[in-house]
Amino acid sequence: EVQLVESGGVVVQPGGSLRLSCAASGFTFDDYTMNWVRQAPGKGLEWVSHITWDGNTYYADSVKGRFTISRDNSKNSLYLQMNSLRTEDTALYYCVKDTSVTPFNWFDPWGQGTLVTVSS
Amino acid sequence: DIQMTQSPSSLSASVGNRVTITCRASQTIENYLNWYQQKSGKAPKLLIYGASRLQSGVPSRFSGSGSGTDFTLIISSLHPEDFATYHCQQSFSVPYTFGQGTKLEIK
Repeated sequence: EVQLVESGGVVVQPGGSLRLSCAASGFTFDDYTMNWVRQAPGKGLEWVSHITWDGNTYYADSVKGRFTISRDNSKNSLYLQMNSLRTEDTALYYCVKDTSVTPFNWFDPWGQGTLVTVSS
Repeated sequence: DIQMTQSPSSLSASVGNRVTITCRASQTIENYLNWYQQKSGKAPKLLIYGASRLQSGVPSRFSGSGSGTDFTLIISSLHPEDFATYHCQQSFSVPYTFGQGTKLEIK
């Protein structure tokens, strides 16, 4: 069974930093693109970033230059380093596996999420 | 970036009703459109990919259609467990944008 378990979400002050982690199991981790998607309280879903199996990275404009996605295939783990945090970064952050059947791709499954609160 | 607009934002319906949710893209996305269901307090779950392809295990009362810029999710006969929020998402190009969600409530 594929499992994604996020951790690292806490309350942090504006301007602070945080690193989220996602432990993956049940699939060959280094074969897949992995994503971070967030959901602010009571709001919709926002794709944040992804990293391909071979390390190429992409970011939403809202986090570019502040967040860094990375992976450690030897540990089956995905990370999100979050710097210069803003109140608008407050959200539940999901770790999500990219699944594809050529030519389509989609997000499945999703972890349970880890809550990041940016507040003074 | 491609903007995705869902309508309606919320919807009240009764068990047994047929429900239609629409999603419009700001430019063509061919048929690179996915639909997710999110129940309260839970992570989203894939329903449909490639605009019309039902994910394994999803009941056949769910269907999707459309291509280009206009897409539809139909639930043919609502079951109690279908009351949730539904999100569309384009996978045509990065950033993979979502619609704002449609909350389906019990009438």
